[in-house]
Amino acid sequence: GAVVSQHPSRVICKSGTSVKIECRSLDFQATTMFWYRQFPKQSLMLMATSNEGSKATYEQGVEKDKFLINHASLTLSTLTVTSAHPEDSSFYICSARNSGSSYNEQFFGPGTRLTVL
Amino acid sequence: LAKTTQPISMDSYEGQEVNITCSHNNIATNDYITWYQQFPSQGPRFIIQGYKTKVTNEVASLFIPADRKSSTLSLPRVSLSDTAVYYCLVGDGNNQGGKLIFGQGTELSVKP
Repeated sequence: GAVVSQHPSRVICKSGTSVKIECRSLDFQATTMFWYRQFPKQSLMLMATSNEGSKATYEQGVEKDKFLINHASLTLSTLTVTSAHPEDSSFYICSARNSGSSYNEQFFGPGTRLTVL
Repeated sequence: LAKTTQPISMDSYEGQEVNITCSHNNIATNDYITWYQQFPSQGPRFIIQGYKTKVTNEVASLFIPADRKSSTLSLPRVSLSDTAVYYCLVGDGNNQGGKLIFGQGTELSVKP
């Protein structure tokens, strides 16, 4: 099956620093990728839709200047958490939509655990 | 996007069949129903998808009544490793760019 990878799997950083998370579709092309955030014991919350070659679409309440998204190729989207603070500590998950599929087949990455000290 | 409602939690024992029902009263004509499984600290994993009637694969069955306002995920003979959170999602692959909105999910606990 289709594979989506994320890097890093875990990151610990100091408050005020920026952290970049990569999401890659390994064996298919994805014109659209999605970024989610998940707090402990809660469901996934969609943050934004990442579109290859264009600006990301953010969900209501998500600060676009805080969470920078770049989707420069058909297999890579990055999420940068700028000036991270402890409240940004969370589990970040991406998913990729198979551009070659006739339907909305989405494949999820393994997630990235961010801890901001 | 159609909102879904599922039981928050369910308990079962090894070897039993587990049925998780999801309500989606506002499902649209073009919407499909998809179920995902999530283990702690992992990304969701696709289980099964259907539009109407019954769909079966190697891990589960999905039952969808004629009115499509609900669906039931059936897991035959669960094992301890099936302990996870199960999410029901409805959506159209093309509407709103294909984004999926997760509900609260059902936390299934399988006991020995």
